Amino acid sequence: DQQVKQNSPSLSVQEGRISILNCDYTNSMFDYFLWYKKYPAEGPTFLISISSIKDKNEDGRFTVFLNKSAKHLSLHIVPSQPGDSAVYFCAARIFGGGADGLTFGKGTHLIIQP
Amino acid sequence: GAGVSQSPRYKVAKRGQDVALRCDPISGHVSLFWYQQALGQGPEFLTYFQNEAQLDKSGLPSDRFFAERPEGSVSTLKIQRTQQEDSAVYLCASSLGLGYNEQFFGPGTRLTVL
Repeated sequence: DQQVKQNSPSLSVQEGRISILNCDYTNSMFDYFLWYKKYPAEGPTFLISISSIKDKNEDGRFTVFLNKSAKHLSLHIVPSQPGDSAVYFCAARIFGGGADGLTFGKGTHLIIQP
Repeated sequence: GAGVSQSPRYKVAKRGQDVALRCDPISGHVSLFWYQQALGQGPEFLTYFQNEAQLDKSGLPSDRFFAERPEGSVSTLKIQRTQQEDSAVYLCASSLGLGYNEQFFGPGTRLTVL
C-alpha cells in the first residue's frame, strides 16, 4: 500500500521551461515533506522541504507547493536546466512519531531536452 | 570526509552467504537510518538509530536482517543466509538528530545475490 505516490514515472521538459513534478499522499499523519534528487550510482541529495503548516516554500529555482486538503504536493523548477535531469523522489515523515524514517514515492525521472 | 560513506560500493554474494555492509555517517550526526531500494522503486525504511540505540526496526524484512551501531557512530547492516530477493541497493543516511528533518544519504551499496 503506497502511502506516497508519484504517478508519473518520467517527464520530459524543454530546457528553459518549467518542470512540474507531482506527488500525492494518503497518510494524514505526515507533517513534513521533502524532495530528493538522485543521479545514477549516487545517493539521494536533499533538494527542498516543506512543513505542513506552510503551503509554499521557495529556494532559488525550486518551489514546493503543498495542498493539505488534497493531500498533494508539487515541485516546480524554473527555468529547467540540463543538470536538472535526474530522478526526483518525494518523501514524507511523521514528525515525533518515534519512527523517523522517511516514506518515499517511486520517483519521477525528469529529462531536460536541449 | 564530509559526507556519508558506505562500503563496499558493490557486493556480489552467492545465495546463502552472509554479508556485512558498513556505513560511516557524518561526524556528529546522532541519527542514522538504513533504507533498501529495489530496482525501479523508492527507498524503503529498514531501521533507525539514535546514537547507539536502535529505536525502530519495524522495516527489517526478516530476522535474517540485523543492524548495529555499538559506539553510536559507524553502523553495520548484516544479512544472513542471503536470498535472491535481497538484491537491492542499501542506502544509509544520517541526520543531526531529533528535530532535524533533513537526512543526508550515502552512495549506497549495491548487493547482488546470485
